[in-house]
Amino acid sequence: DVKVTQSSRYLVKRTGEKVFLECVQDMDHENMFWYRQDPGLGLRLIYFSYDVKMKEKGDIPEGYSVSREKKERFSLILESASTNQTSMYLCASSLRRGDYSNQPQHFGDGTRLSIL
Amino acid sequence: GDSVTQMEGPVTLSEEAFLTINCTYTATGYPSLFWYVQYPGEGLQLLLKATKADDKGSNKGFEATYRKETTSFHLEKGSVQVSDSAVYFCALGTSGGSYIPTFGRGTSLIVHP
Repeated sequence: DVKVTQSSRYLVKRTGEKVFLECVQDMDHENMFWYRQDPGLGLRLIYFSYDVKMKEKGDIPEGYSVSREKKERFSLILESASTNQTSMYLCASSLRRGDYSNQPQHFGDGTRLSIL
Repeated sequence: GDSVTQMEGPVTLSEEAFLTINCTYTATGYPSLFWYVQYPGEGLQLLLKATKADDKGSNKGFEATYRKETTSFHLEKGSVQVSDSAVYFCALGTSGGSYIPTFGRGTSLIVHP
């Protein structure tokens, strides 16, 4: 079965720490995404990557960066964590080649991050 | 730009009731349409999809029809169960060269025994 795996389900960090969230997919997908999910706000795209070492900013990139050194792995980095970054973070992947417009995204189970 | 509007929740129903969750969209081109479901503590998973006008997607007793004339993709189920309690997201697939789908804000469904 296809799989998107996020390294942690729950994470507690301190204000000012540098935080790494890892995501790995085993579907050979070109596209990978990081979303943030908050009550009443739905999913908001933080960053998108369409290839190794390639990235595009989403709707809310401030305070975040990303790294994609290998096709299967996409990391989200909180450069200096703040309490307003307490949230659920979801990673997703999708196909870019072929008839990609009909293909769904595949999601990990999420990381619930608390910044104290 | 593209957008998806879903009915606000929570939707609260008794077991075996009929469910409708409304979804309307604005899109350039003719994207595929999707419903995703998010159970408590989990990520989103695909529930069903439709790729062109008048297509009906179905899965696990849920159905939705791609209505181009009303730009809608309403989710329905004839008899809900407690286990259907979750958040449901309507989404536009990618089109026009974009690889980023557009999601609605999600509708929470609570089913009581």
